[in-house]
Amino acid sequence: EDKVVQSPLSLVVHEGDTVTLNCSYEVTNFRSLLWYKQEKKAPTFLFMLTSSGIEKKSGRLSSILDKKELFSILNITATQTGDSAIYLCAVVPLFTSGTYKYIFGTGTRLKVLA
Amino acid sequence: EPEVTQTPSHQVTQMGQEVILRCVPISNHLYFYWYRQILGQKVEFLVSFYNNEISEKSEIFDDQFSVERPDGSNFTLKIRSTKLEDSAMYFCASSVRVFLFNYGYTFGSGTRLTVV
Repeated sequence: EDKVVQSPLSLVVHEGDTVTLNCSYEVTNFRSLLWYKQEKKAPTFLFMLTSSGIEKKSGRLSSILDKKELFSILNITATQTGDSAIYLCAVVPLFTSGTYKYIFGTGTRLKVLA
Repeated sequence: EPEVTQTPSHQVTQMGQEVILRCVPISNHLYFYWYRQILGQKVEFLVSFYNNEISEKSEIFDDQFSVERPDGSNFTLKIRSTKLEDSAMYFCASSVRVFLFNYGYTFGSGTRLTVV
């Protein structure tokens, strides 16, 4: 069964700290891994990773994928209270149906204190 | 920025009643999805839809569920006879192509369904 596991489940840090969120996966045929940020309702897209070892960056956020060890990390540097959210990792297997479905992990709940 | 719009934001219904959750995907998108998230649990895939038919559905998507794109703009999820365990946040999503190499698909803000 395809599986995505995120750790830690929750994390409390202070503003300015750096955090690393982990996502490991077991998927029969891997296509891509995505990170989303979920604040109040809709998950919003952060990154899509398809190739190993290539870091993607957006401001203070960065992410990298290791397809050999089957994991990804999401780093947030100089955290701000606005980074408080649930961070979701999702894996996309190769499709057989004509569309791509996402397999989500449970998420990491990050709280940044002022 | 274009958005996926879902209505209502919150719906309370009695067990056994039919509910229809509505979604307006981004106008040029062709692929549509429903996901749900039971409180405290993972976001789970329900169904994908393309070219007016279901492409894939999960085990959760049983005969009580159906989807429709009735008028070319709306995309609906119907639950025929709701059960307590259908209480969840239901997310609609859409994408312009089957797979985008640098972007995920766009999610709506969700409908919280509470079955009492």
